[in-house]
Amino acid sequence: DAGITQSPRHKVTETGTPVTLRCHQTENHRYMYWYRQDPGHGLRLIHYSYGVKDTDKGEVSDGYSVSRSKTEDFLLTLESATSSQTSVYFCAILATGTDTQYFGPGTRLTVL
Amino acid sequence: AQRVTQPEKLLSVFKGAPVELKCNYSYSGSPELFWYVQYSRQRLQLLLRHISRESIKGFTADLNKGETSFHLKKPFAQEEDSAMYYCALFGNEKLTFGTGTRLTIIP
Repeated sequence: DAGITQSPRHKVTETGTPVTLRCHQTENHRYMYWYRQDPGHGLRLIHYSYGVKDTDKGEVSDGYSVSRSKTEDFLLTLESATSSQTSVYFCAILATGTDTQYFGPGTRLTVL
Repeated sequence: AQRVTQPEKLLSVFKGAPVELKCNYSYSGSPELFWYVQYSRQRLQLLLRHISRESIKGFTADLNKGETSFHLKKPFAQEEDSAMYYCALFGNEKLTFGTGTRLTIIP
C-alpha cells in the first residue's frame, strides 16, 4: 500500500461548508496527487504536488485548493462544498525513481 | 495533450472464456502505460506496467505503437477477475486515466 492513508474515510456535509481531506504518506515520496472518481468519468486529476509548497492544477481544479507544508501530508480543501463535489477522492504518490503511482484507500464525500 | 480511451464501459464474459479489455491512447511522446484494477469499493491496485512486460494474475498487455493500443488480455477468465479496470498513461508528470471498463465474469 506504499504507506498511504487518507482521512476521513467517509464524510457527509452540507452545501456551503468547508471540507478538508488529508493524505498522509510515510515514505518521503516527492510527488503526491489528488483525484476524484465519478461514474462515467474514471479518475480525474484535481491537483498535484511536486514538493513542499510546490503544487499545480489538474484538469478539474475549480472549487478546490491544496496545501503541502510537509513532505508527508497533502491536504485537499473544498472552500465551500457543492453537491457536484460529491465523489470518491483518491490520493496517490509517485514511487520515487519510477513512473508508477500508488493509491490511498479513498474518501467517500457526500455533499447534501 | 494525452488521452486514454476505453471503448467498453461494461464487459461480461463466461468463466473460462478469454478476456480482452481494450485501451487506446493518444500521446506525442514515448508512452508509459499501465493497467490498474479496482475491486469493489477498494483502492486502485497496479495490475501491470508495459515496460516490465510481466504477467500478473494471468493478465498480459502488449504495447502496439502502430495502433496506439495497450489491450489487456487473459486466456481463461476466473470469477475473482470481476472488477473495474482502468488503463492509464503517464506523461508530463501526470497519470491520465481512461473511463474504465467494468468486467463481470459469469459463473
